[in-house]
Amino acid sequence: GENVEQHPSTLSVQEGDSAVIKCTYSDSASNYFPWYKQELGKRPQLIIDIRSNVGEKKDQRIAVTLNKTAKHFSLHITETQPEDSAVYFCAASWEAGNMLTFGGGTRLMVKP
Amino acid sequence: DADVTQTPRNRITKTGKRIMLECSQTKGHDRMYWYRQDPGLGLQLIYYSFDVKDINKGEISDGYSVSRQAQAKFSLSLESAIPNQTALYFCATSDWNTGELFFGEGSRLTVL
Repeated sequence: GENVEQHPSTLSVQEGDSAVIKCTYSDSASNYFPWYKQELGKRPQLIIDIRSNVGEKKDQRIAVTLNKTAKHFSLHITETQPEDSAVYFCAASWEAGNMLTFGGGTRLMVKP
Repeated sequence: DADVTQTPRNRITKTGKRIMLECSQTKGHDRMYWYRQDPGLGLQLIYYSFDVKDINKGEISDGYSVSRQAQAKFSLSLESAIPNQTALYFCATSDWNTGELFFGEGSRLTVL
């Protein structure tokens, strides 16, 4: 089955700096890669996703890149703000709508 | 507002007791899931169901069972709870087309 590894497990940045979280996956048949954000005490929520026919996707201050050859994808957050502090999860599945395999999560702390 | 509701939100029980966590949704989604969250281990899939007559094991189904009583209801049971089942449990639904997961607020279970 699919295995997703996520790094780093914790990340501390200064407000205004950029943050990058990286994930690798094992199953070359995976084609759908979402990212979820979980604020403290809240439920995870989808923030962005990418499909294998696209190399990069951007939504305001967040972007995701995908390298299918190397089987890794990354989340980039620019101009970080305190409200970006949360746990971020990457995930993979062979298509949207099918069961997801999640990475272990990254706790991002943005210091004011 | 269409949502995913879990009960109970918090439960403390003793080793050997039977526990049921319930999930109901008003999103009209056919696909429902139960995940377990442990610190540093991300979200692990316990069971999933793509319609009322479909039940599938996930990554960590041992010690758990589920019942899909209706399109809107999916319950998780621990037949004989043990301390290493202490965790935060999330129910989720998904749109088959977009693949986005919609999580409930979580049920925190402590097994003494």
